[in-house]
Amino acid sequence: SQTIHQWPATLVQPVGSPLSLECTVEGTSNPNLYWYRQAAGRGLQLLFYSVGIGQISSEVPQNLSASRPQDRQFILSSKKLLLSDSGFYLCAWRLIQGVRDEQFFGPGTRLTVL
Amino acid sequence: QKEVEQNSGPLSVPEGAIASLNCTYSDRGSQSFFWYRQYSGKSPELIMFIYSNGDKEDGRFTAQLNKASQYVSLLIRDSQPSDSATYLCAVNKGDYKLSFGAGTTVTVRA
Repeated sequence: SQTIHQWPATLVQPVGSPLSLECTVEGTSNPNLYWYRQAAGRGLQLLFYSVGIGQISSEVPQNLSASRPQDRQFILSSKKLLLSDSGFYLCAWRLIQGVRDEQFFGPGTRLTVL
Repeated sequence: QKEVEQNSGPLSVPEGAIASLNCTYSDRGSQSFFWYRQYSGKSPELIMFIYSNGDKEDGRFTAQLNKASQYVSLLIRDSQPSDSATYLCAVNKGDYKLSFGAGTTVTVRA
């Protein structure tokens, strides 16, 4: 079965520090992968999506970047964090299996920038 | 206009009652629609998806889609305290890039 992992689970970082969040998927190959952010009291916002190694599309201009160095690994980064980067970061993957075409979320990383 | 709008809530229903959640979307070309449940502090979990006009039932959940009215709803029958959560409506913008509503918080009173 497929599983998705994210780490760390929680993170507290000072303003101006770098960031690296990791997402890995098991049990599938060449998945579409997505990064979302959920800011406090707000809905989920799509940040990046990737259809394959090295292929990244950005949905909103921001202080963050994404990379996909391996088939089942998706990384979210920042060189200098802002207060507004605080939020719940969720990685998701797309399951396409027969008639099923669904998107599942990982457990998330809760980031607090102070 | 927001891409996806949900009734703001919170919605409080007694145990055993029907909870009705509504969602409208702006892109008339949208083809697939999803309902996620999110417990406090947790990631969203998919509970229903619907592609065609009409009703789709799965256990105590029924999703309804009306593409002409750009409207999606979720009914939760025989509501249980474990149904207390925030429900997120999502619309596929293409390539499975989902646009989410702000969510409706449901509280089921025992």
